[in-house]
Amino acid sequence: GEDVEQSLFLSVREGDSSVINCTYTDSSSTYLYWYKQEPGAGLQLLTYIFSNMDMKQDQRLTVLLNKKDKHLSLRIADTQTGDSAIYFCAESFALSNDYKLSFGAGTTVTVRA
Amino acid sequence: DVKVTQSSRYLVKRTGEKVFLECVQDMDHENMFWYRQDPGLGLRLIYFSYDVKMKEKGDIPEGYSVSREKKERFSLILESASTNQTSMYLCASSLSPPGGAFSYEQYFGPGTRLTVT
Repeated sequence: GEDVEQSLFLSVREGDSSVINCTYTDSSSTYLYWYKQEPGAGLQLLTYIFSNMDMKQDQRLTVLLNKKDKHLSLRIADTQTGDSAIYFCAESFALSNDYKLSFGAGTTVTVRA
Repeated sequence: DVKVTQSSRYLVKRTGEKVFLECVQDMDHENMFWYRQDPGLGLRLIYFSYDVKMKEKGDIPEGYSVSREKKERFSLILESASTNQTSMYLCASSLSPPGGAFSYEQYFGPGTRLTVT
């Protein structure tokens, strides 16, 4: 199966940490991605993690991968108003050579002052 | 700087009209994709193409067709627009060669918000 699930909304106070969660069902996933979509714009790759890793850190972003539970999370430290956006997780598949990504529904993050 | 452009940001069409959405990428990417984005449903793949004149159906191809006559250009065609095709349409492109996460990374255009009345 190629189902990626995310909660739809998250509200966070400026300066706090945000945690966005994602579950996926296909154990053959090779790479898992986080994309960000700002209002009125297309999607932009934020970060990715290879399926044989369990953590990746990139400045304020921390990605955690629990392969056993098929759970992926994105933590944004010191959340700023510019972090208000829709965040999509996506997966690609080792057995596929058509380079498709399967996206979740997106989590809308609202940062309040 | 990589770039994917879409012909219109906003489009309003009438039911039954034939609609063309154009997408151009300047990165010499082999793969190109068309998605529609609807609230609560995320991105759903309509069609994709991995080479010139090649096309593959995605998850929701009904009511749509595509054309890829040149490597840099991928067109989405709504043969007879209907109100349930009112949506945000996103085009993306990616490289073909395997061997790393960035070979799967898709670069997106800004989107076309289509309203069918």
